[in-house]
Amino acid sequence: AQSVTQPDIHITVSEGASLELRCNYSYGATPYLFWYVQSPGQGLQLLLKYFSGDTLVQGIKGFEAEFKRSQSSFNLRKPSVHWSDAAEYFCAVGPYSSNTGKLIFGQGTTLQVKP
Amino acid sequence: GAVVSQHPSWVICKSGTSVKIECRSLDFQATTMFWYRQFPKQSLMLMATSNEGSKATYEQGVEKDKFLINHASLTLSTLTVTSAHPEDSSFYICSATQAAYNEQFFGPGTRLTVL
Repeated sequence: AQSVTQPDIHITVSEGASLELRCNYSYGATPYLFWYVQSPGQGLQLLLKYFSGDTLVQGIKGFEAEFKRSQSSFNLRKPSVHWSDAAEYFCAVGPYSSNTGKLIFGQGTTLQVKP
Repeated sequence: GAVVSQHPSWVICKSGTSVKIECRSLDFQATTMFWYRQFPKQSLMLMATSNEGSKATYEQGVEKDKFLINHASLTLSTLTVTSAHPEDSSFYICSATQAAYNEQFFGPGTRLTVL
């Protein structure tokens, strides 16, 4: 079965601290992986995506993610969190051609940033 | 980048009335559009996939007679919630893509409240 698991429903970090959000997936074909961020009442913004090549992917806003095939993981990291990073984060897996299949989303992780 | 808009951004209606939500791709031709529903503090749930000029494909458990989807042009898809009831209150998000893209582009969402 195809699925995405984000084990942490809620994470609180202090501003300036490092961050890692976990994502594990189960997908029958070659996985194409995405991280999105959603601010309250807003749509989704793409942070980064992995299709092939270097397994460490750089994204916007200082985020990066590492694809580990052996662990079926695609964890999101940021070395120093800013208060504006507080939001909901979704990991998703989907097909290479975005119009040929659906994205499967994880349950989301709420990030709270302490001053 | 590719931009997707939704209209309205929020709507309040009375129980029993119908509501139409528009999703537009502003700077590209979207051969495929997706409609999602999101309950508070939850992930996105795919409702249906629509390809331009074809009938929408609904996910299991989604009532096609209640959630009417039309994708009559390459830049516009509409979702009509018919005979809305309070349990239809939710955040509805669309996304759009085409074969040349390897990601979906998300609209800002529409908040529907049924009284």
